[in-house]
Amino acid sequence: AQRVTQPEKLLSVFKGAPVELKCNYSYSGSPELFWYVQYSRQRLQLLLRHISRESIKGFTADLNKGETSFHLKKPFAQEEDSAMYYCALSGAETSGSRLTFGEGTQLTVNP
Amino acid sequence: GAGVSQSPSNKVTEKGKDVELRCDPISGHTALYWYRQRLGQGLEFLIYFQGNSAPDKSGLPSDRFSAERTGESVSTLTIQRTQQEDSAVYLCASSLVGGRAGRNEQFFGPGTRLTVL
Repeated sequence: AQRVTQPEKLLSVFKGAPVELKCNYSYSGSPELFWYVQYSRQRLQLLLRHISRESIKGFTADLNKGETSFHLKKPFAQEEDSAMYYCALSGAETSGSRLTFGEGTQLTVNP
Repeated sequence: GAGVSQSPSNKVTEKGKDVELRCDPISGHTALYWYRQRLGQGLEFLIYFQGNSAPDKSGLPSDRFSAERTGESVSTLTIQRTQQEDSAVYLCASSLVGGRAGRNEQFFGPGTRLTVL
């Protein structure tokens, strides 16, 4: 079975402060991890994926297999980062690339 | 080009009625997914279509739920004899290919908000 846990439902920071959204996963095989974001009144969209090892909008996430974590980080948060963030996992043993999602973290960046 | 579209955007129905939700994927995308999102929860996988292969129905919560897809185009999700616990946002996503390939990014539609009274 695969499971994704986002321990914080709500996270509030001030503009310019660092932000870290936590994600832990449970999966026995080799997972593919993603972060999806949903801005207000917009549809869910991919933010980044661990295999790309890229920085998107200043966000990075490193897969730590030892700690089974895939935390999302940004050194200096901006107001436009306020959104709902979902961590998701795709397992090699499941068909296609069906995703298992965490419950999401609502990030608010205050001015 | 146009993204994934879904209709209706909102649906209110009475308990016991059947509902049909529609998804139009991005043209050329062979893989199509349905997810359900209950209030305050993450997305739950329901069903996956890949080309002409047999669909993966392992996420469907009961036999009241069914889905069809015609070739690589439109998909419909049908819920029979709706119950109040079926109230949720139903999201459709499509990707160029399925599987653990580099082109498997899922593009989501805006969702259909279903309310069962």
